Amino acid sequence: EAQVTQNPRYLITVTGKKLTVTCSQNMNHEYMSWYRQDPGLGLRQIYYSMNVEVTDKGDVPEGYKVSRKEKRNFPLILESPSPNQTSLYFCASSSHGAGPGTDTQYFGPGTRLTVL
Amino acid sequence: KNQVEQSPQSLIILEGKNCTLQCNYTVSPFSNLRWYKQDTGRGPVSLTIMTFSENTKSNGRYTATLDADTKQSSLHITASQLSDSASYICVVSARDFGNEKLTFGTGTRLTIIP
Repeated sequence: EAQVTQNPRYLITVTGKKLTVTCSQNMNHEYMSWYRQDPGLGLRQIYYSMNVEVTDKGDVPEGYKVSRKEKRNFPLILESPSPNQTSLYFCASSSHGAGPGTDTQYFGPGTRLTVL
Repeated sequence: KNQVEQSPQSLIILEGKNCTLQCNYTVSPFSNLRWYKQDTGRGPVSLTIMTFSENTKSNGRYTATLDADTKQSSLHITASQLSDSASYICVVSARDFGNEKLTFGTGTRLTIIP
């Protein structure tokens, strides 16, 4: 089954404690992206990757890091989480590296992060 | 600045009734427009994707329309079902120098009541 998986689904942590949210897709997609979703705001892109070892900043990259060492995986790293990073996070993937275009963009189930 | 505005913010209708959700955008240069359905606590799922040359696209009971001249889109749901209760998100894509940029609306929260 074609899918995007994220782990963990729920996470409560404290300020400053480094964490990683994993994202994996099984569709051999080139393009992967991280979004955060906050009440009253549309999804906002954090980082995206057009292929292995190719990543770039989205609209709200401050406080986040990513890596793309393998095509299937695109982890999101919070080196020193702060309360304003409390949010619902989604990973997404689509076929072509230039962006979703008219391809279907598949979203993961989400990770709800709370930073105390 | 690229913007996508959706209306209404929320909508409650009786099961079996039809409804229409609106999306207005100021995105340039326009590439395509998508509608997603997002169930509570889950990731968005694609319903329709329309390019500049398409003015209507259907997916079962969902029909999206696009007027690229007025920069408006609508999503019409026919014969609503309880399972249609969800948020519906309009997303407009701009493509410049080969790079694509998506702008998300804040969604319309639809509740279907029996």
